[in-house]
Amino acid sequence: ILNVEQSPQSLHVQEGDSTNFTCSFPSSNFYALHWYRWETAKSPEALFVMTLNGDEKKKGRISATLNTKEGYSYLYIKGSQPEDSATYLCASANDYKLSFGAGTTVTVRA
Amino acid sequence: EAGVAQSPRYKIIEKRQSVAFWCNPISGHATLYWYQQILGQGPKLLIQFQNNGVVDDSQLPKDRFSAERLKGVDSTLKIQPAKLEDSAVYLCASSIDQGAVSYNEQFFGPGTRLTVL
Repeated sequence: ILNVEQSPQSLHVQEGDSTNFTCSFPSSNFYALHWYRWETAKSPEALFVMTLNGDEKKKGRISATLNTKEGYSYLYIKGSQPEDSATYLCASANDYKLSFGAGTTVTVRA
Repeated sequence: EAGVAQSPRYKIIEKRQSVAFWCNPISGHATLYWYQQILGQGPKLLIQFQNNGVVDDSQLPKDRFSAERLKGVDSTLKIQPAKLEDSAVYLCASSIDQGAVSYNEQFFGPGTRLTVL
């Protein structure tokens, strides 16, 4: 079991503000980093899969970066909206095994 | 495209009782996963199937947990007997093929929330 850590555990954001949070993962035998969004009472939904150092992905107001050498990824939300409220999970694939972090729970206040 | 279906959505049982969860993956997906997510932790893989064969069950507590994938499609996960520490959300996911564990996304069901009293 790999140690994938996410911080902070939770955060509150005012509507319209931007925010970001971190996923750290082991850099050895790294293959891919996944980000998922999990809204309450719904299924986790895939946001991004990143494999290369320096990768940047964007989906609407959400973007992510990847640093495989130092083992971290940032997820950014620009201009947060109430519908962005969810738990954001990252998962690191090392040696073809996927290990999840505990998630960052984002609450956007109107 | 229909998503991954799971039932029941919620289950409350007493310790030492038995419980079973059902999962119907996306049509054509060869790989099926069962995860356990305990409150405050990330999802932990319990078992991974490739078609109807087991690829990884290293973290499945085999003295009480069992799983099968019928004809390489639907799957059931059973706990017998349940313990208090089994209280968790049980997520089922599927992906196109085994290589997907690294590069391709997994598609998740809504989960079953189990409470053991």
